[in-house]
Amino acid sequence: DVKVTQSSRYLVKRTGEKVFLECVQDMDHENMFWYRQDPGLGLRLIYFSYDVKMKEKGDIPEGYSVSREKKERFSLILESASTNQTSMYLCASRNSDFTAYNEQFFGPGTRLTVL
Amino acid sequence: QKEVEQDPGPLSVPEGAIVSLNCTYSNSAFQYFMWYRQYSRKGPELLMYTYSSGNKEDGRFTAQVDKSSKYISLFIRDSQPSDSATYLCASSAMNSGYSTLTFGKGTMLLVSP
Repeated sequence: DVKVTQSSRYLVKRTGEKVFLECVQDMDHENMFWYRQDPGLGLRLIYFSYDVKMKEKGDIPEGYSVSREKKERFSLILESASTNQTSMYLCASRNSDFTAYNEQFFGPGTRLTVL
Repeated sequence: QKEVEQDPGPLSVPEGAIVSLNCTYSNSAFQYFMWYRQYSRKGPELLMYTYSSGNKEDGRFTAQVDKSSKYISLFIRDSQPSDSATYLCASSAMNSGYSTLTFGKGTMLLVSP
């Protein structure tokens, strides 16, 4: 059974704190993604990684950075959390097969609240 | 204009109703058309997909794509309370050697017993 796990289901942080969100997949997938999901705005891609130590900006990278030191782990970093980063954060992974077919496997999400 | 447009709902129906969920898209390069289902407090998971135009059926679910009108549909027959979820349409294409997936905003479906 494929599995994507995220380090926390719920997280409360204060403005200005550095926040780490961790994601681990056990499917040996090459590609990993970080999204945020907000009411009325849907899923928005923050960053993605097509391989270890590689990263690409998504649609809304401002205020975020990522790290992928190992194939199975993809971390999202909020350098200085702000209240407008309160959101549901979803991690996903995908097996790379160089076709347009794009089934992504999602983790359960982390609900982050920044006070 | 977003590349994939979807009415957010909510859509409320009684148990047993036929449900029609729809999206439109603007990018002619899209090749795969997918429907993800997301239950409350869970991540989305792939429900079904079609490649290019046509229909695909899986039990009570039918996915349909009309590339001439750029219209994506998901039909649910004999809807059940367990179908209550948010349904996200998504389309994928190759872009600079990578596959990119574009989501609609999702439609919340509520099926009442």
